[in-house]
Amino acid sequence: ILNVEQSPQSLHVQEGDSTNFTCSFPSSNFYALHWYRWETAKSPEALFVMTLNGDEKKKGRISATLNTKEGYSYLYIKGSQPEDSATYLCAPYNNAGNMLTFGGGTRLMVKP
Amino acid sequence: SQTIHQWPATLVQPVGSPLSLECTVEGTSNPNLYWYRQAAGRGLQLLFYSVGIGQISSEVPQNLSASRPQDRQFILSSKKLLLSDSGFYLCAWSVLFAAEAFFGQGTRLTVV
Repeated sequence: ILNVEQSPQSLHVQEGDSTNFTCSFPSSNFYALHWYRWETAKSPEALFVMTLNGDEKKKGRISATLNTKEGYSYLYIKGSQPEDSATYLCAPYNNAGNMLTFGGGTRLMVKP
Repeated sequence: SQTIHQWPATLVQPVGSPLSLECTVEGTSNPNLYWYRQAAGRGLQLLFYSVGIGQISSEVPQNLSASRPQDRQFILSSKKLLLSDSGFYLCAWSVLFAAEAFFGQGTRLTVV
């Protein structure tokens, strides 16, 4: 099982604030990293699948970067909206064939 | 298109009773299948995964077992539930190792 750390555990921001949070993972034998958004009363949904060092992916106001050499990924949300409130999960893969293992998640709450 | 079905949505069971949660996937063949649990206030923990019929890998020792009797059917079971088995259980599938995962709606299990 990979040791995956996400920080912070929870985050309260005001509508319109930009925010970011971190996923840290072992850098050895890196293969891929997933980000998921998990809204209350719904199922987790994939945001990004990232594989290359220096990758930057964007979907609307949400973007993510990846540093495989140092073992971290940042997720950014620009101009947070109440509908962004959710738990954001990351899941790294390595070449040892480990299966989809999530970090503890960052719970984001955006106040209107 | 592919869909995943998980049932029941909620379940209240007495301590010591058996458990059977079922998950089926439609529209794909030979998926990777996963069972996760979210205990209260914690992230998603991978319990079992399967890469094919009859092939089950367990990530953590526990009071639960899993079976895959058919290609697109994944069952989570227990012979005797413990209070600590309470939680939210999610089934998921992916087409390949490190591919995006798709989740079922989840089962809220309360052991009383």
